[in-house]
Amino acid sequence: NAGVTQTPKFRVLKTGQSMTLLCAQDMNHEYMYWYRQDPGMGLRLIHYSVGEGTTAKGEVPDGYNVSRLKKQNFLLGLESAAPSQTSVYFCASSWLSGGAYNEQFFGPGTRLTVL
Amino acid sequence: QKEVEQDPGPLSVPEGAIVSLNCTYSNSAFQYFMWYRQYSRKGPELLMYTYSSGNKEDGRFTAQVDKSSKYISLFIRDSQPSDSATYLCAMSKETSGSRLTFGEGTQLTVNP
Repeated sequence: NAGVTQTPKFRVLKTGQSMTLLCAQDMNHEYMYWYRQDPGMGLRLIHYSVGEGTTAKGEVPDGYNVSRLKKQNFLLGLESAAPSQTSVYFCASSWLSGGAYNEQFFGPGTRLTVL
Repeated sequence: QKEVEQDPGPLSVPEGAIVSLNCTYSNSAFQYFMWYRQYSRKGPELLMYTYSSGNKEDGRFTAQVDKSSKYISLFIRDSQPSDSATYLCAMSKETSGSRLTFGEGTQLTVNP
């Protein structure tokens, strides 16, 4: 099992450009998440999905869009990149809750720089 | 004000030391408490989790939750150089535990 994979690993964009980050998981998890990690701020939830075809806003959703067309994939889009979106982006996935805590499994991250 | 506060360090200790890492929080609705470990340029991985107040032990690691004080701790006994990483506390308000609120992480270095 590859677990959670993210594509690409690194990317440099110019202000105003668009891009899509791809997250894939092979654990048949229902829940998927996108976080960003910035110095002094920790990990902050951007958007998440509780199942195929569903998405919901997290703590910092502005400037991002997401789609979950297939259960195993969760895409994060930046329509018009801004320097404030320079960050490390992590995707995570977890089982559908059964009332107990379900561990989130993280991908290796995508380092994005917006010039 | 952040819901979860964590001293970012850095913290440097000699091999074999006992390490204490802490987080405070402001929202009494948090009921699941986790510690994630993140090695440099890697994704976080779950180290321990605790539901509500109490202690939990796993090998050299002990997690403590004091809901009355809104304070959680992670203790590492007999610390090893391989423990050098950033430790993130995380909390959830929901029964499902799906949406996590993270502290900013404490960078730990264990020197041989």
